[in-house]
Amino acid sequence: NAGVTQTPKFRVLKTGQSMTLLCAQDMNHEYMYWYRQDPGMGLRLIHYSVGEGTTAKGEVPDGYNVSRLKKQNFLLGLESAAPSQTSVYFCASSHPPFRLADNQETQYFGPGTRLLVL
Amino acid sequence: QQQVKQSPQSLIVQKGGISIINCAYENTAFDYFPWYQQFPGKGPALLIAIRPDVSEKKEGRFTISFNKSAKQFSLHIMDSQPGDSATYFCAASGDTGNQFYFGTGTSLTVIP
Repeated sequence: NAGVTQTPKFRVLKTGQSMTLLCAQDMNHEYMYWYRQDPGMGLRLIHYSVGEGTTAKGEVPDGYNVSRLKKQNFLLGLESAAPSQTSVYFCASSHPPFRLADNQETQYFGPGTRLLVL
Repeated sequence: QQQVKQSPQSLIVQKGGISIINCAYENTAFDYFPWYQQFPGKGPALLIAIRPDVSEKKEGRFTISFNKSAKQFSLHIMDSQPGDSATYFCAASGDTGNQFYFGTGTSLTVIP
């Protein structure tokens, strides 16, 4: 049981290049999320998905696209990378509802992808 | 606009001391308040969580205190240990269901 995995772990892009970040989970979770983490900003939700074939915008969706073609995978795409997208990206997954009786079921996070856009 | 405000930004505590991190929110629709712990190079992991129908929840050395009227909640780490050195995030979510709003994080250092 690997939990939530992310690839790649680290990437350097030039402004204008595109790339896709892959998130995979083996916990059969319905919900998946993409966050970015920046110093002094905490974690901010980019996009999320409540099931295969569905996606929705989060707090900071501009410049990103996502796809959830398979239940276990959630892809985050940058079509034209900008220096402002330099960040650490985290994927997370959860069961619905993510708040079970004892409050212990919640989002499980991957190890992160560090992206540098030059 | 930061939905959840967290303080302090950093905290240094002696081993055996009490670490206290505070969070405040405005949205009264929030009804679930988890705390996450993050070690360098790792993703956040759930530490403890509370709903507003209780004022306190304790798990081992970790306690959440919740003040619904003041819209504040805090994490207390008793008998702080060097292994507790990490970044702590509070978060909140509500009846919109799927969105967590995170605080800006507190970097805790426990000195041996």
